[in-house]
Amino acid sequence: EPEVTQTPSHQVTQMGQEVILRCVPISNHLYFYWYRQILGQKVEFLVSFYNNEISEKSEIFDDQFSVERPDGSNFTLKIRSTKLEDSAMYFCASRADSPYEQYFGPGTRLTVT
Amino acid sequence: AQSVSQHNHHVILSEAASLELGCNYSYGGTVNLFWYVQYPGQHLQLLLKYFSGDPLVKGIKGFEAEFIKSKFSFNLRKPSVQWSDTAEYFCAVSRGSSNTGKLIFGQGTTLQVKP
Repeated sequence: EPEVTQTPSHQVTQMGQEVILRCVPISNHLYFYWYRQILGQKVEFLVSFYNNEISEKSEIFDDQFSVERPDGSNFTLKIRSTKLEDSAMYFCASRADSPYEQYFGPGTRLTVT
Repeated sequence: AQSVSQHNHHVILSEAASLELGCNYSYGGTVNLFWYVQYPGQHLQLLLKYFSGDPLVKGIKGFEAEFIKSKFSFNLRKPSVQWSDTAEYFCAVSRGSSNTGKLIFGQGTTLQVKP
């Protein structure tokens, strides 16, 4: 069964450094998402991406964040200058045009020190 | 703003007990409803979904959920839990009219099943 994959599984970085989290969505899917879960809190929507552009973003997704689908298979989340509060589990998800369920990757645990 | 509330944060049951996890949402329009499960060390997996039609939906592993529109609820049930059901359960909602389909999650319920 096809699945969403994410790399790395765990990333440790120092405050102020740039990180890129990578995702490979399911191949025939059209909609792509990033969510995050700070330890002990809800899973929160960050951004959705469709037709090579951001279709919706949350208040969390400020100028420090960007997404890209550089080569038709990878979907990346970049954080330009990480802060301590960016420490969280980041989940990538994708879905087809129909039906509407999203398929999640295993997540990347980002630790900012 | 749209929100999802799960009433139980931590539930402990013995094997063969019945399970009901509550989920309420706060959006008045058409919604798509989901329950996801996260087993220890694994990623979020879809248990079941509701888009339209029969409000009683059946999912994998013997789970079912009932959509009650008048109560804005989508409670998850299982008649007899097993030790392997130990996991975290998330209710999620997306707006039916949304082009993006973003999911709003509840805070999750940790289910611990004692053998």
